[in-house]
Amino acid sequence: GQQVMQIPQYQHVQEGEDFTTYCNSSTTLSNIQWYKQRPGGHPVFLIQLVKSGEVKKQKRLTFQFGEAKKNSSLHITATQTTDVGTYFCAKSYSGTYKYIFGTGTRLKVLA
Amino acid sequence: NAGVTQTPKFQVLKTGQSMTLQCAQDMNHEYMSWYRQDPGMGLRLIHYSVGAGITDQGEVPNGYNVSRSTTEDFPLRLLSAAPSQTSVYFCASSLGVGTGDNQPQHFGDGTRLSIL
Repeated sequence: GQQVMQIPQYQHVQEGEDFTTYCNSSTTLSNIQWYKQRPGGHPVFLIQLVKSGEVKKQKRLTFQFGEAKKNSSLHITATQTTDVGTYFCAKSYSGTYKYIFGTGTRLKVLA
Repeated sequence: NAGVTQTPKFQVLKTGQSMTLQCAQDMNHEYMSWYRQDPGMGLRLIHYSVGAGITDQGEVPNGYNVSRSTTEDFPLRLLSAAPSQTSVYFCASSLGVGTGDNQPQHFGDGTRLSIL
């Protein structure tokens, strides 16, 4: 099937350390979306990447789409306690508007 | 602007009971979907709709029915509840169908459902 692998599953970091989560697909992606879900909350859209090799930044967050459009990454510089939550990538089935979510990376930031 | 509204927020059912989870959006979004979220499983797509009168199955449709009679509403029905359907259910909507560029999904706050 059209699986989306996301690693790592969990990550604990000290406040101020960097964090990266990776999203890998066996098929070429038309686009990829990233979401953040705070504990007890609902997923909130962060960004969408469409172009091969695309890099987008939101303050301390850097999103990258691989050249082959089969993988993506989210990097957080100098984590803060407000970054705690689970980060999901989501890809659409080719030619449809169905979205498949990765299993997520749960980030814990230790103060 | 309310966004995506889900009701109820919590529900406990007995095995075999039926119920409907409500979802409404006020953003005139064409695309709506239902997901379930289980620990360690991420979000799995149950059913989705690309417009009023049009629905289709997602990854895990068995045991659930949907309909889309209006643009605003997309209820999810559990026909005969089973313990395996204990989960958190999220409804989402997005603007984009036919825009050529998929749009971000806006999620409701979720319904926490327990089946005994």
